[in-house]
Amino acid sequence: NAGVTQTPKFQVLKTGQSMTLQCAQDMNHEYMSWYRQDPGMGLRLIHYSVGAGITDQGEVPNGYNVSRSTTEDFPLRLLSAAPSQTSVYFCASSPQGSGQPQHFGDGTRLSIL
Amino acid sequence: QQQVKQSPQSLIVQKGGISIINCAYENTAFDYFPWYQQFPGKGPALLIAIRPDVSEKKEGRFTISFNKSAKQFSLHIMDSQPGDSATYFCTRGADKLIFGTGTRLQVFP
Repeated sequence: NAGVTQTPKFQVLKTGQSMTLQCAQDMNHEYMSWYRQDPGMGLRLIHYSVGAGITDQGEVPNGYNVSRSTTEDFPLRLLSAAPSQTSVYFCASSPQGSGQPQHFGDGTRLSIL
Repeated sequence: QQQVKQSPQSLIVQKGGISIINCAYENTAFDYFPWYQQFPGKGPALLIAIRPDVSEKKEGRFTISFNKSAKQFSLHIMDSQPGDSATYFCTRGADKLIFGTGTRLQVFP
């Protein structure tokens, strides 16, 4: 099992550009989510999905879109990148159900100039 | 917003010492309190977790203590080792995690 795989690991964008951060898991987990990590602020939830075709907003959803067409994949889209979106992005997955541990990928470090 | 306040921001401990990280939460909704450990360049990984109907949980050198009346919980690392050097996050929630701000632990030989 590869677990949760995020690509790319690093990316530099210019303001206004768009891009998609990829996340794939091979554990057949129903629940997937995206977080961003900023210095001194811990991780904050952007969007999450409880299964294919179902997504919802987290704490900081503005500027990001998601979709979930398959159980395995949960891409995060930045439609028009802004410097405030410079961050490290983590994808996580878990089996459905309260108290299941979240499995995190190793992150995508994104810089927006 | 169900915040989690974590302290200290950084912690330096000598090998063999005890590392203590504290967290406080708001409101009294039944919840789940996992701790995550993060090494540089890696994603967080579940370390240990507790439910509020339990006052203490121990796994090896790691112990969580939970004080429901004070709305506080803490992580104790006994016999701290250099390999424990990492950032530790207290969190609350089952699926939609709310993270504390993190504690960077450095254990020196």
